[in-house]
Amino acid sequence: AQTVTQSQPEMSVQEAETVTLSCTYDTSESDYYLFWYKQPPSRQMILVIRQEAYKQQNATENRFSVNFQKAAKSFSLKISDSQLGDAAMYFCAYRSDIIQGAQKLVFGQGTRLTINP
Amino acid sequence: DVKVTQSSRYLVKRTGEKVFLECVQDMDHENMFWYRQDPGLGLRLIYFSYDVKMKEKGDIPEGYSVSREKKERFSLILESASTNQTSMYLCASSPPVAGDSYNEQFFGPGTRLTVL
Repeated sequence: AQTVTQSQPEMSVQEAETVTLSCTYDTSESDYYLFWYKQPPSRQMILVIRQEAYKQQNATENRFSVNFQKAAKSFSLKISDSQLGDAAMYFCAYRSDIIQGAQKLVFGQGTRLTINP
Repeated sequence: DVKVTQSSRYLVKRTGEKVFLECVQDMDHENMFWYRQDPGLGLRLIYFSYDVKMKEKGDIPEGYSVSREKKERFSLILESASTNQTSMYLCASSPPVAGDSYNEQFFGPGTRLTVL
């Protein structure tokens, strides 16, 4: 079974600095999707960024980028110029299966990010 | 904007009670999902549905059932609530995927259930 591991339960960073959240996963598939979701204190989960495994180029969305290392099965999230609104729980997720068009996601344990002003 | 709503933000029930958690989405999505979120465990999939009256077990279905009588509504049922079902429950919906594409899952705000 596919597993996703986030080894950092908590991280903190000074406002305006850069922080990297780690994620590793286990799969025997060669083509798959990976995601980072953000859950702010309001609890509404929001998709931050996605990566398709067959694309070698790392995905970027404004201040958010990933470092995707397929051979190492690593998928880290880098947040540049951290802002107070980035404070949230971040979840890494792997798409494990598609059943009748429905995507099954496997999530990591989450990393709680604190931004220090 | 996609909107996924859940009937309660907070819910307190007693052991043995039958509990209904309701989820409604307004974007005509075929797929709907129920997850539970626990500290240190992340989100785990309980059940999902890809069409009206169709359901599939997720990774932790024991102790739960679901109902989808209408496309926009997906209910999670705890037949006899137990203290180990105290958790945050998140509902999500998404359009279907075709081939090797992907579609974003849109989440509701969650229901924090406490079983005493």
